Amino acid sequence: EDQVTQSPEALRLQEGESSSLNCSYTVSGLRGLFWYRQDPGKGPEFLFTLYSAGEEKEKERLKATLTKKESFLHITAPKPEDSATYLCAVQGRGGSNYKLTFGKGTLLTVNP
Amino acid sequence: NAGVMQNPRHLVRRRGQEARLRCSPMKGHSHVYWYRQLPEEGLKFMVYLQKENIIDESGMPKERFSAEFPKEGPSILRIQQVVRGDSAAYFCASSPQDVNGYTFGSGTRLTVV
Repeated sequence: EDQVTQSPEALRLQEGESSSLNCSYTVSGLRGLFWYRQDPGKGPEFLFTLYSAGEEKEKERLKATLTKKESFLHITAPKPEDSATYLCAVQGRGGSNYKLTFGKGTLLTVNP
Repeated sequence: NAGVMQNPRHLVRRRGQEARLRCSPMKGHSHVYWYRQLPEEGLKFMVYLQKENIIDESGMPKERFSAEFPKEGPSILRIQQVVRGDSAAYFCASSPQDVNGYTFGSGTRLTVV
């Protein structure tokens, strides 16, 4: 069974204070690892898909990296508007390869 | 190009009533997925549908829950005889085909009182 564990559960940063969120996973053949952002009362908003170890993707202040066991979401010089819950999910290559298995998320708060 | 549309956004039901949640996928998308997010829990897969077919309902409780995606109209997630434990946010997502990842709607927040 695919599993995703995210840490920390919550993270408070000062504006401009860079940090990283962790996503550890086990999956029977990785089809894709996904990062989503979720604001209160909203649905998950797609950020990145990573497919193989060593891959990196960037978008504004966010950079996602992938190894064979974990993924990191690096946040450089965050702003208050980056405050949200960040969700990590994996999609395996097994019979149910359409399913996403999610972690519980990291609640990020960026103080001005 | 509208995204995945879910309604209602909020739904309050008394114990024992029925809840109907609707999802209109993005234009051109023929695959629909329902996920449930319980308080303090991650999103959990419930069911995967294509037009007029249930592909996988392994994540859905065996009783009281059903889903459909008719040839015409939105996908419907139906919960009969709701109980307090059904209170959660229900998200629908869609994709154009069996692709990596998909687009989520804003969800329906069901409260059972």
